[in-house]
Amino acid sequence: NAGVTQTPKFQVLKTGQSMTLQCAQDMNHEYMSWYRQDPGMGLRLIHYSVGAGITDQGEVPNGYNVSRSTTEDFPLRLLSAAPSQTSVYFCASSFRVGDSGNTIYFGEGSWLTVV
Amino acid sequence: SQKIEQNSEALNIQEGKTATLTCNYTNYSPAYLQWYRQDPGRGPVFLLLIRENEKEKRKERLKVTFDTTLKQSLFHITASQPADSATYLCAYGGSQGNLIFGKGTKLSVKP
Repeated sequence: NAGVTQTPKFQVLKTGQSMTLQCAQDMNHEYMSWYRQDPGMGLRLIHYSVGAGITDQGEVPNGYNVSRSTTEDFPLRLLSAAPSQTSVYFCASSFRVGDSGNTIYFGEGSWLTVV
Repeated sequence: SQKIEQNSEALNIQEGKTATLTCNYTNYSPAYLQWYRQDPGRGPVFLLLIRENEKEKRKERLKVTFDTTLKQSLFHITASQPADSATYLCAYGGSQGNLIFGKGTKLSVKP
């Protein structure tokens, strides 16, 4: 049981390049999400999904795209990287979303630098 | 807008003392609050959840309280150890069920 797996761990991009951050979970969780964490800003929600085929925007969705074709995978795409997207990205999952307060499990993070 | 604040960016205490971290929320009445620990270079790890109808929750040396009148949660670590040094995050479920996080408090426990 690997939990939440993110790849790559580190990436340097040039402005304007595109890339995909991969996220996979093996816990059969319905809910998956992407956060970014910046100094002084805390964790901010980018996009989330409550099940395969369903995605929605979080607090800071601009410049990012997601899809959820399977329960296990939730990739985050940067279409045209900008220096403002330099950050640490965390993928997270939980059994389901809602007021039941399910524990969220985080991946180990992906450090992205855009130059 | 919904807001959650952790009053201290950093907290330094001596080993053996009790660490108390504060989390305040505004413009919302969450059904629960969660606390996470984050070590440098790692993802957050869940510690405790407390619901609005619970005054207090304990897990080993950890204790969380939830005061809906003050709109505040306190997180205590008793008999603190240097290994407790980390950043602690509080979070609550927003109106759509997503977790909204505070910015965290960095705890340093000195031997």
